[in-house]
Amino acid sequence: EIVLTQSPATLSLSPGERATLSCRASQSVSSYLAWYQQKPGQAPRLLIYDASNRATGIPARFSGSGSGTDFTLTISSLEPEDFAVYYCQQRHRAFGQGTKVEIK
Amino acid sequence: QVQLVQSGAEVKKPGASVKVSCKASGYTFTSYDINWVRQATGQGLEWMGWMNPNSGNTGYAQKFQGRVTMTRNTSISTAYMELSSLRSEDTAVYYCARSGGAADYWGQGTLVTVSS
Repeated sequence: EIVLTQSPATLSLSPGERATLSCRASQSVSSYLAWYQQKPGQAPRLLIYDASNRATGIPARFSGSGSGTDFTLTISSLEPEDFAVYYCQQRHRAFGQGTKVEIK
Repeated sequence: QVQLVQSGAEVKKPGASVKVSCKASGYTFTSYDINWVRQATGQGLEWMGWMNPNSGNTGYAQKFQGRVTMTRNTSISTAYMELSSLRSEDTAVYYCARSGGAADYWGQGTLVTVSS
């Protein structure tokens, strides 16, 4: 079973700063990787699918890159509503353990 | 608009089973897979498995093999997830999600509490 490892566990940043989140797979997942955002008390929201495609309605400040085993989610300039937990997921498979983006 | 509406909260005793429903609307039910994901309080997302509503084919996470069953009733566009032999560690919010590769629409979640 492929394991997804996210880093860092917590990212402390200020609004306007750039956030870079990592997701590493224990073996290749090709480009079949998605990123989700979750806020307290809410269901997750799809941000990125197939490694680099923004889902419908997702702002351009969110971007995804990578293939094979190494993936990155970048938020170019943090808005107040972006402070949340982010998860990566291999298609139809397990999630990473999450990265919390918190206000510094 | 696409909606997934789940059944209400459940309280179960250890050893019992629970069956959660997920009613889809706003799209062709048989055109997208349904994933089931759970989340214990304060914990991360845990993928449980997927089902193809058209064929009925399923795939379960190894952890839940033998204990989970995912089914559907296409006439009412509803998916079901049944988890048996419940223990306290199964207390969590259970989500269904539509997936064409990634989970783009999610249900509101169903809280299942396992307690004696």
